[in-house]
Amino acid sequence: DAGVTQSPTHLIKTRGQQVTLRCSPKSGHDTVSWYQQALGQGPQFIFQYYEEEERQRGNFPDRFSGHQYPNYSSELNVNALLLGDSALYLCASSAGLAGTDTQYFGPGTRLTVL
Amino acid sequence: SQQGEEDPQALSIQEGENATMNCSYKTSINNLQWYRQNSGRGLVHLILIRSNEREKHSGRLRVTLDTSKKSSSLLITASRAADTASYFCATDEETSGSRLTFGEGTQLTVNP
Repeated sequence: DAGVTQSPTHLIKTRGQQVTLRCSPKSGHDTVSWYQQALGQGPQFIFQYYEEEERQRGNFPDRFSGHQYPNYSSELNVNALLLGDSALYLCASSAGLAGTDTQYFGPGTRLTVL
Repeated sequence: SQQGEEDPQALSIQEGENATMNCSYKTSINNLQWYRQNSGRGLVHLILIRSNEREKHSGRLRVTLDTSKKSSSLLITASRAADTASYFCATDEETSGSRLTFGEGTQLTVNP
């Protein structure tokens, strides 16, 4: 049983560019959440997708957007990249929105903005 | 915003010793989860404790939860060099719908 997978592993972009990160949830999970983790910090919640809709959003600008497909996989898009967007981006999957289940994290995508 | 606060920020011990990390939070929760992270890689889930539970064990891990004090502790017994990592607590707030709020983490170093 594959766990949560993310691609790519590493990415280098320049300021102003756009980036798309991808996530496949653990088998049987239908909810995907995205987190940003700056160096030396704890992860910060970006947004959550369930039934192909954004259900919750953290304190991130509209430059951060996402999508969930019918197979529950998800994308995180970031437009007009800033140096401060350099971080580890983590995807987590869980079952439903009840808030009672374990969230499983993928290995992350390390984004560097130059 | 960060809800959980881990204490201490860094901990260095010898192999075989026990390591205790503490976490405090601010709001009512559904559950509290502990994660481990090695060198900026993905988070590995360690243990989940629900708001109606007071203590939970998993192998060498023991987690306690005191909802009246809004605090939790993670005890790793008989530590090994391989336990060297950052440890994070994450709370699932009652009104959050499975959105996790993380603390800043505790960096544990286990010296051989």
